[in-house]
Amino acid sequence: SSELTQDPAVSVALGQSVKITCRGDSLRIYFASWYLQKPGQAPVLVMYGKNKRPSGIPDRFSGSSSGNTASLTITGAQAEDEGDYYCNSRDSSGNHLVFGGGTKVTVL
Amino acid sequence: QVQLQESGPGLVKSSQTLSLTCSVSGDSITSGDYYWNWIRQSPGKGLEWIGYSYNSGGTSYNPSLKSRVAISVDTSKNQIFLKLSSLTAADTAVYYCARGETYTGFYVFDQWGQGTLVTVSS
Repeated sequence: SSELTQDPAVSVALGQSVKITCRGDSLRIYFASWYLQKPGQAPVLVMYGKNKRPSGIPDRFSGSSSGNTASLTITGAQAEDEGDYYCNSRDSSGNHLVFGGGTKVTVL
Repeated sequence: QVQLQESGPGLVKSSQTLSLTCSVSGDSITSGDYYWNWIRQSPGKGLEWIGYSYNSGGTSYNPSLKSRVAISVDTSKNQIFLKLSSLTAADTAVYYCARGETYTGFYVFDQWGQGTLVTVSS
């Protein structure tokens, strides 16, 4: 079982906003990183640390954290934002890494 | 831009040992303070971290796999290796290698290979 919990699926209308959450005790200590995986492809880093975006990731992606919950928000979702989003962090011991179970985002 | 490429057998028999190689190009695997990870994804399932080797020579493994896994590197060949023993059908997955970096307060997998599908047959 994962130490990070994500909602299995969420849908959003084209151009609207959606927040994806990740919960876990280790998130009280560590920031989450977020990855987008499209079908048949490797995951791609989209957010890390305290709201940091890798080069090439649009600024409609933003991150936040409060208590044991990390969030990834897409403001003005586009069709290309569809896919599976995974959060990742160190576990509570700090010695290992864990992924959330993933959230499937559908843009309607 | 660093690139990672996994290679290995696509089909292995249960109870045997899986050996995979991750070949890194575009930079030396010793050029920075990086962690070299293996991650897998069973069909239709989520990502599972297997473990890493880092440049100072240490390793860390997923506790659920620790008794069966070994990760090593060959700096002269710029390659990272995964060995997973006592295979069962549950080990059928796409196996990814990924470069990791740790910062104060967080960890990122910033570069990934394309993954290689391994099927365990009886």
